[in-house]
Amino acid sequence: SQKIEQNSEALNIQEGKTATLTCNYTNYSPAYLQWYRQDPGRGPVFLLLIRENEKEKRKERLKVTFDTTLKQSLFHITASQPADSATYLCAVKTGANNLFFGTGTRLTVIP
Amino acid sequence: SQTIHQWPATLVQPVGSPLSLECTVEGTSNPNLYWYRQAAGRGLQLLFYSVGIGQISSEVPQNLSASRPQDRQFILSSKKLLLSDSGFYLCAWRGQGLGSPLHFGNGTRLTVT
Repeated sequence: SQKIEQNSEALNIQEGKTATLTCNYTNYSPAYLQWYRQDPGRGPVFLLLIRENEKEKRKERLKVTFDTTLKQSLFHITASQPADSATYLCAVKTGANNLFFGTGTRLTVIP
Repeated sequence: SQTIHQWPATLVQPVGSPLSLECTVEGTSNPNLYWYRQAAGRGLQLLFYSVGIGQISSEVPQNLSASRPQDRQFILSSKKLLLSDSGFYLCAWRGQGLGSPLHFGNGTRLTVT
């Protein structure tokens, strides 16, 4: 079965720097991969989707890459702000209708 | 626009008591519906999903059940709660298109005492 590893449980960075979060999967390459943001006590919110035939996707200060050779996706937040502090989850398609989530990386942006 | 409502926000129940969590979606038809559980420090675990009225698929054997009596209503139930049922329960919906994102409710924090 698919297994997802997100590089670390917690990541602290200085405001203004670029945060880079890693998502590694172990088995088959998924048709797509999604990234979500979760604030404490709230449900996750969808941020970006990247398909297996796409190398990179951007949305404002966010950038996602997808390397099917390395079985890895990187999630970048440029010019990070304290408001970006949250837990970020990656999820891959599994089966016909389901998404399998990683455990997340808790990002703290220090002013 | 589409909205998803999930209630209650918090719940404290004794072991052995029944459970009913309700989720409704507005502004969309024939959504795929999901129940996830998130334990502290762990990822989201898919419990049930439904592609239509009365169609329920279970991902893990457990003490819980789900029902979909109407197109946009999804209910999570238990006849007798266990301590291990404590957690953060999230309902979500998604459209039919490939890659459609999940839209989550705000969750129910369940504590079984």
